[in-house]
Amino acid sequence: GQQLNQSPQSMFIQEGEDVSMNCTSSSIFNTWLWYKQDPGEGPVLLIALYKAGELTSNGRLTAQFGITRKDSFLNISASIPSDVGIYFCAGQLFDGGGSNYKLTFGKGTLLTVNP
Amino acid sequence: DTGVSQNPRHKITKRGQNVTFRCDPISEHNRLYWYRQTLGQGPEFLTYFQNEAQLEKSRLLSDRFSAERPKGSFSTLEIQRTEQGDSAMYLCASSLVYGPVAKNIQYFGAGTRLSVL
Repeated sequence: GQQLNQSPQSMFIQEGEDVSMNCTSSSIFNTWLWYKQDPGEGPVLLIALYKAGELTSNGRLTAQFGITRKDSFLNISASIPSDVGIYFCAGQLFDGGGSNYKLTFGKGTLLTVNP
Repeated sequence: DTGVSQNPRHKITKRGQNVTFRCDPISEHNRLYWYRQTLGQGPEFLTYFQNEAQLEKSRLLSDRFSAERPKGSFSTLEIQRTEQGDSAMYLCASSLVYGPVAKNIQYFGAGTRLSVL
């Protein structure tokens, strides 16, 4: 099925560094979501974005909905060891007819934080 | 705990056997979704229910896959005649949606990991 292009695939950083990852699509979405998944667990929602250009923060996390509606990025500031995990972007398209049912996910960015 | 609950967490089965997974959504949520996730990939949508009605099932991987939500509460996903390629994490999510609104936040369970030997 269709997937989003998420980059980078993996990142190795030192504790305290800032992190940036992004997601692009060939088609538009009207909702972008960022999830974090720990090994053996389900994805946990971090941030939801609903409008093109929207910039939203959740603690040390900041995400933006791209103007073209085809991309989004996530920044993590001052990383800590518990930030380790896989970060997924997901897009959702709502056409006004109740078809906003499925999420299309990227392949994820694996983040490793060295203490 | 009022989150999405999935059972079992792990299932090991032999090829050709049938397996059934259960999902209990967040209690007030009217929509329930099933996704499959293989190693190194993001979750892939399979099917979803609004209350007890299954509104989209074209993404189920084959006719060996079926899902039910008989009373609009918990749901089951069954795989018949399992194959090694069915080995994956099966995730359930739920959301609360009323009317033609754009906001539809899906909350995921911890998943059921299936291993087919």
